[in-house]
Amino acid sequence: AQSVTQPDIHITVSEGASLELRCNYSYGATPYLFWYVQSPGQGLQLLLKYFSGDTLVQGIKGFEAEFKRSQSSFNLRKPSVHWSDAAEYFCAVGALGDDKIIFGKGTRLHILP
Amino acid sequence: GAVVSQHPSWVICKSGTSVKIECRSLDFQATTMFWYRQFPKQSLMLMATSNEGSKATYEQGVEKDKFLINHASLTLSTLTVTSAHPEDSSFYICSARSRTRWIAGGRGPHEQYFGPGTRLTVT
Repeated sequence: AQSVTQPDIHITVSEGASLELRCNYSYGATPYLFWYVQSPGQGLQLLLKYFSGDTLVQGIKGFEAEFKRSQSSFNLRKPSVHWSDAAEYFCAVGALGDDKIIFGKGTRLHILP
Repeated sequence: GAVVSQHPSWVICKSGTSVKIECRSLDFQATTMFWYRQFPKQSLMLMATSNEGSKATYEQGVEKDKFLINHASLTLSTLTVTSAHPEDSSFYICSARSRTRWIAGGRGPHEQYFGPGTRLTVT
């Protein structure tokens, strides 16, 4: 069965520092991978997605993610975080021909001034 | 493009009453809409998938008689929580998938666009 694991429930980084949020997936078929961000009390905003091609994906707000098939990972990175990046981040996986997107449990990002 | 709205954004109701939540795709036609439930500080749990003009498909453990879903048109789906109880209090989020694979700013067969969510509190 497909699943998504985000091993870090909380991550705290200082403003201006680099960030990496981890995501591992388990999926039998070729996965479609997503990262979403959710601010408190808000819906989800798509940061970036990977379907095929270049394994390094650029997204909005300066985020990028790298698909590593050998490690079943799709980690999200940002070289320098801003206080406004404090939010909940969800990794998700889907597949061609499957309606569903499976979400990880999320990682809450805290930013220190 | 690809904007999804939900109404209301928050609602408080008394136990035993029913509440209807609307999900609309504003600038595209959505063949499929999804309803999720999110408990505080937890992930999104898919409740059901609805296709325009057909009955919704509910996930295991979701009571279809309690959570009524109607996907009446390509731009509107509604979730009705019937005989609401305090344990139904939650954040409900809908998403919509485009009728066509390619729309402005999006691509791929599984591009879902999320609404801003509806916070339901049952007293």
